[in-house]
Amino acid sequence: ILNVEQSPQSLHVQEGDSTNFTCSFPSSNFYALHWYRWETAKSPEALFVMTLNGDEKKKGRISATLNTKEGYSYLYIKGSQPEDSATYLCAWGSWGGSYIPTFGRGTSLIVHP
Amino acid sequence: ETGVTQTPRHLVMGMTNKKSLKCEQHLGHNAMYWYKQSAKKPLELMFVYSLEERVENNSVPSRFSPECPNSSHLFLHLHTLQPEDSALYLCASSQARTSGASDTQYFGPGTRLTVL
Repeated sequence: ILNVEQSPQSLHVQEGDSTNFTCSFPSSNFYALHWYRWETAKSPEALFVMTLNGDEKKKGRISATLNTKEGYSYLYIKGSQPEDSATYLCAWGSWGGSYIPTFGRGTSLIVHP
Repeated sequence: ETGVTQTPRHLVMGMTNKKSLKCEQHLGHNAMYWYKQSAKKPLELMFVYSLEERVENNSVPSRFSPECPNSSHLFLHLHTLQPEDSALYLCASSQARTSGASDTQYFGPGTRLTVL
């Protein structure tokens, strides 16, 4: 069974804090790594997709890095705001005749004002 | 309508009922997916349709039957479900590409299914 693990499971921070979480995935048969943000009662929304070892992506206060050789990705949020409260999902993509994404359980982030 | 839509948003059904979930994407994508989200579990891929052909079944019980009549529409037909099938069912679409690129998925809001 190929697992995608995310840690921590949940995180409470104060407004203004910077935070980061981890996604671990199999290093074999790697195709792509996605990060999604899922707010309560909304649809999961794509943040980043990374395909190359050493990739770094940034969108505003959120950034992500990728290490395909050791099988992990970090998501960073700088100066957290209450509107950043959401579950952050990572998905490891492999190829099996079509694109097959395997999701982690997610990290639930709550930012307190 | 834009993006990916799903109907109904909520569904309560008995174990002997037959119902269908509908997904429609307005993004011009050529791949569509059904996922199941149970409490405290990761999103589980159920079915993938690429260019209207089913390419991934993922060992889903036969009481779930997908249908993809065209690249914009995806259905999940349900019959004789069990209470443990109660979950959030999410639809997604993407632009399927050849090896060397990646497929970002665009999700619908989901259908919250309760089986009594």
